[in-house]
Amino acid sequence: DTEVTQTPKHLVMGMTNKKSLKCEQHMGHRAMYWYKQKAKKPPELMFVYSYEKLSINESVPSRFSPECPNSSLLNLHLHALQPEDSALYLCASSQVGGVTGELFFGEGSRLTVL
Amino acid sequence: GESVGLHLPTLSVQEGDNSIINCAYSNSASDYFIWYKQESGKGPQFIIDIRSNMDKRQGQRVTVLLNKTVKHLSLQIAATQPGDSAVYFCAENYNYGQNFVFGPGTRLSVLP
Repeated sequence: DTEVTQTPKHLVMGMTNKKSLKCEQHMGHRAMYWYKQKAKKPPELMFVYSYEKLSINESVPSRFSPECPNSSLLNLHLHALQPEDSALYLCASSQVGGVTGELFFGEGSRLTVL
Repeated sequence: GESVGLHLPTLSVQEGDNSIINCAYSNSASDYFIWYKQESGKGPQFIIDIRSNMDKRQGQRVTVLLNKTVKHLSLQIAATQPGDSAVYFCAENYNYGQNFVFGPGTRLSVLP
């Protein structure tokens, strides 16, 4: 079982809807990530939070808005999405620096935009 | 055998045989590498990692080899089992950074 929990597992939304994806980890990690994964493609980095501050934004459109309320939680707010935004959204966490930089992934939230 | 094309590269092996999955990485400055396994409908799962000061690391039934000269990483799986069927990604990183870059992935199909 993964120690990174994502909700919901599936989400269908229209282009005018506002929704949020949620991620939680209790491993004490201080870095949290959002990745986007299209079918048959590798995960692509969207955002990184380090010590609850946004440290990396990979030029993601503003219709995706991340939020890190505390060290255990990460949200991704979605608004006015396009059908091409349909994908698997993966949350991950890791230590900051240290001996291992391993990313721990959640199971993902599969998003369909109609 | 291995097929590469418009679809995800696929490696088909017989159950019990050894598998070798290859990855060419992009950044000569990368100093940390991870192999991930992703089963259908799941998130990527850590298999093994290696730092650039090593050229080989072994785990349980898996071995990672790193050739920095040609920027090449490989994952060897011994006695491949049906449960090994999945997509395998290599990921590279630099200086404990947070921007992990994933390779294109290889689908491993284990034949009975």
